[in-house]
Amino acid sequence: DTGVSQDPRHKITKRGQNVTFRCDPISEHNRLYWYRQTLGQGPEFLTYFQNEAQLEKSRLLSDRFSAERPKGSFSTLEIQRTEQGDSAMYLCASSLATFYLNTGELFFGEGSRLTVL
Amino acid sequence: SQELEQSPQSLIVQEGKNLTINCTSSKTLYGLYWYKQKYGEGLIFLMMLQKGGEEKSHEKITAKLDEKKQQSSLHITASQPSHAGIYLCGAVGTASKLTFGTGTRLQVTL
Repeated sequence: DTGVSQDPRHKITKRGQNVTFRCDPISEHNRLYWYRQTLGQGPEFLTYFQNEAQLEKSRLLSDRFSAERPKGSFSTLEIQRTEQGDSAMYLCASSLATFYLNTGELFFGEGSRLTVL
Repeated sequence: SQELEQSPQSLIVQEGKNLTINCTSSKTLYGLYWYKQKYGEGLIFLMMLQKGGEEKSHEKITAKLDEKKQQSSLHITASQPSHAGIYLCGAVGTASKLTFGTGTRLQVTL
C-alpha cells in the first residue's frame, strides 16, 4: 500500500500521560500536514512541513504539542500532559507541491483516534 | 480568515435519486477540494477545482466551481448506498493549508 499511513489507529490514555502519533506520507511527497478533527466538525489545521522544515503552526497547537519531521520523510506528533479536550481524531495528509501546483492534491491517512480518560 | 459554509448539513435520499451539496466561501476561492469521509475514517480525495467555471466529473459525481469562485457544488447522479458518508469541502488558504467546512452527512436509503 503506497498511501499515507498513521500509527496507532486508536489510543486510549489517562489524563496527564504523553502520547505520540506517527505518520508515513506518500514517499515522493514533500509536504506533510497535521489536522485535528472532533465529532461533527471538519478537520482543523495544526501544522505543516515542507520537507523537514516546519513552516506554520496553528494557534490550536499549544506548547504541549510538538511535531517533527526529522529527515523529511515520516513525521511524529507528540502531545504532552494530555487533557480530556485533546480527545479527537488526528489526521495526517501529504502532497507534492510544485511551483505550478502550489498545494497539489492532499492525500489523507486513516487517522489516529485519541481518547483521554 | 476564510470560512466555508456547507448546505445542507445532512441529507437523506432514496437510492437512485440525484442530490446536490453546496459549499459557499466568505472569500474568493483559489482552490477548492472535495473529500468524502466514512465515519471514524480518513478523508478520501474526490476532486480539486481551481478555475472559475471549472467542472470535473468522476463516475457519478460532478463538482463545479462558479465563475466568481465563491461557491462550489457537488452533484451525485443516481445515488447508491456506497455514496453514503460525510462530504467535506476544503479551501486553499494562506501557506497552502486547507480550511474545511463542517461537512454534509449523506444517508442513502434503499
